[in-house]
Amino acid sequence: ETGVTQSPTHLIKTRGQQVTLRCSSQSGHNTVSWYQQALGQGPQFIFQYYREEENGRGNFPPRFSGLQFPNYSSELNVNALELDDSALYLCASTPGGRGGKESYEQYFGPGTRLTVT
Amino acid sequence: GQSLEQPSEVTAVEGAIVQINCTYQTSGFYGLSWYQQHDGGAPTFLSYNALDGLEETGRFSSFLSRSDSYGYLLLQELQMKDSASYFCAVENNAGNMLTFGGGTRLMVKP
Repeated sequence: ETGVTQSPTHLIKTRGQQVTLRCSSQSGHNTVSWYQQALGQGPQFIFQYYREEENGRGNFPPRFSGLQFPNYSSELNVNALELDDSALYLCASTPGGRGGKESYEQYFGPGTRLTVT
Repeated sequence: GQSLEQPSEVTAVEGAIVQINCTYQTSGFYGLSWYQQHDGGAPTFLSYNALDGLEETGRFSSFLSRSDSYGYLLLQELQMKDSASYFCAVENNAGNMLTFGGGTRLMVKP
């Protein structure tokens, strides 16, 4: 069973640029969530995709957007990068379903460390 | 909205027992989860409580009191490898968003 993978591992961008981060979910998982984790803080929910549709969004501006593909892999796109976007971006997948252990037991990828200069 | 509070740091010695508390405020509640994250690593799932009481998984146990909006993670027989950050998390009432606490950094000393 393949776990959650993310690419790239590290990325350095300049303020104002755009970035695309990628995530492959664990085999059999149809739900992918994206989180932003600033240094020393807990992960903050960005949005979730369930069967290729956005299924919930946290308190992030529209310049954070995403996609989920038929194979349930996902992308996070961030436009007009700001210095505060520097963080670890985590992708997590679950088997799906609402409430209960299936939605709680999220399987996280290793993350992409984004630095905006 | 959802908010969770947990201590920022806890220090304990190898072999000891440590309890990490979490209080939460939420408009809807399905259950409380705990995640462990080593420096530079990904969060990994530890436990989940939907009902009041204690859940035990090896050296780790987790407790929930829904009436008090309170839970804790209990780590027994501490090992050096348990040094990590521990996060409590609750799911929103739509079942599509996990809200994490700020994390508790546990340092295990010899």
